[in-house]
Amino acid sequence: DAKTTQPNSMESNEEEPVHLPCNHSTISGTDYIHWYRQLPSQGPEYVIHGLTSNVNNRMASLAIAEDRKSSTLILHRATLRDAAVYYCILRDRGIGNAGNMLTFGGGTRLMVKP
Amino acid sequence: EAGVTQFPSHSVIEKGQTVTLRCDPISGHDNLYWYRRVMGKEIKFLLHFVKESKQDESGMPNNRFLAERTGGTYSTLKVQPAELEDSGVYFCASSPGTVAGRQYFGPGTRLTVT
Repeated sequence: DAKTTQPNSMESNEEEPVHLPCNHSTISGTDYIHWYRQLPSQGPEYVIHGLTSNVNNRMASLAIAEDRKSSTLILHRATLRDAAVYYCILRDRGIGNAGNMLTFGGGTRLMVKP
Repeated sequence: EAGVTQFPSHSVIEKGQTVTLRCDPISGHDNLYWYRRVMGKEIKFLLHFVKESKQDESGMPNNRFLAERTGGTYSTLKVQPAELEDSGVYFCASSPGTVAGRQYFGPGTRLTVT
């Protein structure tokens, strides 16, 4: 999987929007952009994924740059429960084994202040 | 729907002893993955089962680790003999058959080798 770059940490106030950036300048045409998060003392949890178009679900929105070299995970109203490490992961949708494992980087530790 | 479960939640053993970790995936999920995070490091892939077959075991650190998934249901990961550097959190994940689809993680087993 191609490498992603994320800030080590970010801070947000409760009930404010949060924009978590991810750079993936070497993304290939067959890579999906996935986001997972890990809450304290829990396993990683899927958040959202996309390929080219922006995506929305009940947890978050994913904004993908037109050239796909970067993306932004948007939490519309951060809550204390959103404090976690957020991982941006590229996953090859090609055939074979390439798309099966998740390659975690360091992620972004989001701190939410009340 | 029950999620991925792991047992035990925490295990403390002495160096040289044997430990077996168990993972019960979501019912019907053919894909089962093991990952681990050792102290201060990123979450790393260990191996991937498709039903009872090992699809990719490229992340297994050495031959002290043995994973099985007899019958294609639950999986075990045995460490024998355990070393100090094996301490960390071991995560199991499962997913249905789609390539590059989301993975559902268990809460992890914290292994401490003293």
